[in-house]
Amino acid sequence: EPEVTQTPSHQVTQMGQEVILRCVPISNHLYFYWYRQILGQKVEFLVSFYNNEISEKSEIFDDQFSVERPDGSNFTLKIRSTKLEDSAMYFCASSEGVRVAYEQYFGPGTRLTVT
Amino acid sequence: GDSVTQMEGPVTLSEEAFLTINCTYTATGYPSLFWYVQYPGEGLQLLLKATKADDKGSNKGFEATYRKETTSFHLEKGSVQVSDSAVYFCALSDRKKAGTALIFGKGTTLSVSS
Repeated sequence: EPEVTQTPSHQVTQMGQEVILRCVPISNHLYFYWYRQILGQKVEFLVSFYNNEISEKSEIFDDQFSVERPDGSNFTLKIRSTKLEDSAMYFCASSEGVRVAYEQYFGPGTRLTVT
Repeated sequence: GDSVTQMEGPVTLSEEAFLTINCTYTATGYPSLFWYVQYPGEGLQLLLKATKADDKGSNKGFEATYRKETTSFHLEKGSVQVSDSAVYFCALSDRKKAGTALIFGKGTTLSVSS
């Protein structure tokens, strides 16, 4: 069964450093998403991406964040200058975009720890 | 804005007990509704969904019915197993708009003992 994959599974970085989180969405999906989950809290939407541009973003997704689809398979989230409060689990998701329910399929997540 | 409210956890049950996790929503439009499950150390898995009023989503013995009149989507299972121990998230999205955000509830932790 097709699945969303994410790398790395765990990333440790120092405050102020740039990090890139990588995702490979399901191959025939058209919409891609990033969410984050701070430990013990609810899952929060960051951004959605379609046709090589941002479709929707939340207020969390400020200028320090960017997304890119550098080739036909990868989808990346870049955090330019990490802060302690960026420590969270980051989930990538994808959806077909053509069915009514538009259900989103999630990857296993990348745990980002900022020290 | 749109929001989802779930009952506070944790919920602790014995094996074979009946499970209900309450979920209510507020939405300006006509949302699709979902339950996701997160097993320890894993990502989010879609458990079931419903796209219109009175639809019943079901999977792995879990059920939830889209109740527009009470804006609810309560999750139920007749007989829980130890393997059902996980965090359950209720979520909604705009059913008419592709690529839109899933709005999640805070999650309810279920712990089942043998």
